[in-house]
Amino acid sequence: GAVVSQHPSRVICKSGTSVKIECRSLDFQATTMFWYRQFPKQSLMLMATSNEGSKATYEQGVEKDKFLINHASLTLSTLTVTSAHPEDSSFYICSARDSGAAVNVQFFGPGTRLTVL
Amino acid sequence: GESVGLHLPTLSVQEGDNSIINCAYSNSASDYFIWYKQESGKGPQFIIDIRSNMDKRQGQRVTVLLNKTVKHLSLQIAATQPGDSAVYFCAENGDGNKLVFGAGTILRVKS
Repeated sequence: GAVVSQHPSRVICKSGTSVKIECRSLDFQATTMFWYRQFPKQSLMLMATSNEGSKATYEQGVEKDKFLINHASLTLSTLTVTSAHPEDSSFYICSARDSGAAVNVQFFGPGTRLTVL
Repeated sequence: GESVGLHLPTLSVQEGDNSIINCAYSNSASDYFIWYKQESGKGPQFIIDIRSNMDKRQGQRVTVLLNKTVKHLSLQIAATQPGDSAVYFCAENGDGNKLVFGAGTILRVKS
């Protein structure tokens, strides 16, 4: 139980293109999902909180027009990196909070390695 | 722990020994804590959690200890195995259902 998938696992794109990353909770419902970014040998940096049926909440310093988030269903959130540049290259990880759980346990996807050339 | 500064702290243990990974958290009002294990190139994996009304919780080969007085959390791994090698993060419950992560500790298991 409590499986979260991400797709794609790895993507290489040219500068200026947009990339969409999907995050799915496979066996539970998640009204809230989270998107993180992680640089090598560092901790996870929260980018935004994705809320089903409403607008995402972005952390300070994260451009909402650059990182578009859509949470259209209880099991799917997408992150689109628009007009990607080499500095956007990173490891992007999503997590999903089990809506049925009494505690704020989050389960993470396997991550997406984005390389922008 | 050994290395500090710009690098993640590293704990090196011999296979079969017990490991203790420590974490200091920031918010005295935090009511829930989680330990995650992250292997290279993968997402964090849930290990064990604990609520603030407890000071100890045991799982399979793992134990989490919570000391609210000094805002300290530890993860004990019994009979450490090579497969335990990873980065370990503690996380505390923050505002708006966010999790606040610690810096992480690298665990290296020597065979």
